[in-house]
Amino acid sequence: GQSLEQPSEVTAVEGAIVQINCTYQTSGFYGLSWYQQHDGGAPTFLSYNALDGLEETGRFSSFLSRSDSYGYLLLQELQMKDSASYFCAVRDNYGQNFVFGPGTRLSVLP
Amino acid sequence: SQTIHQWPATLVQPVGSPLSLECTVEGTSNPNLYWYRQAAGRGLQLLFYSVGIGQISSEVPQNLSASRPQDRQFILSSKKLLLSDSGFYLCALDEISGGYEQYFGPGTRLTVT
Repeated sequence: GQSLEQPSEVTAVEGAIVQINCTYQTSGFYGLSWYQQHDGGAPTFLSYNALDGLEETGRFSSFLSRSDSYGYLLLQELQMKDSASYFCAVRDNYGQNFVFGPGTRLSVLP
Repeated sequence: SQTIHQWPATLVQPVGSPLSLECTVEGTSNPNLYWYRQAAGRGLQLLFYSVGIGQISSEVPQNLSASRPQDRQFILSSKKLLLSDSGFYLCALDEISGGYEQYFGPGTRLTVT
């Protein structure tokens, strides 16, 4: 089976840096993805890691350690608009579908 | 680029009534298509996925069904809605080649009363 764990909530102030962790247990692994979802909206893709290490995309970075079954999303120079829910997701053993984590709600305070 | 259309945006239905939600896609051919449900404040639960016309796989037992009558059309149905069917229904796609990114439609918010 597949399971992913994330913190349920994170709070930070504008301009700060926040890290959202994700641990996973899967019968196979085809990469870790991150999605952002604003209230009432649809999830949008942020980043993807297939190999160990850090991927940087603007203010957002994502890290993966396959040996630890662990990854994180790093958000820098936080802005109010970053307040949203963030989901990690993995592709299952057959690469056929995605399994999403429960989501982390990020609140950015002024 | 891919575009996913879903309608209606919101829907209020009484218990026991039927349901039909439609998802159509543009800008891609032979995509993998997915139906997810999201309860308020929760994660995404995969309901169905399809790798081609007439090919449907179900992830969880439920009173919902799905069909893919055309390459770019995916339909979610129910004969009799339950209160527990309330939620935010999202259609998504990814490329048949197995890309790592899923694209989501705008969703349908269903309230069963």
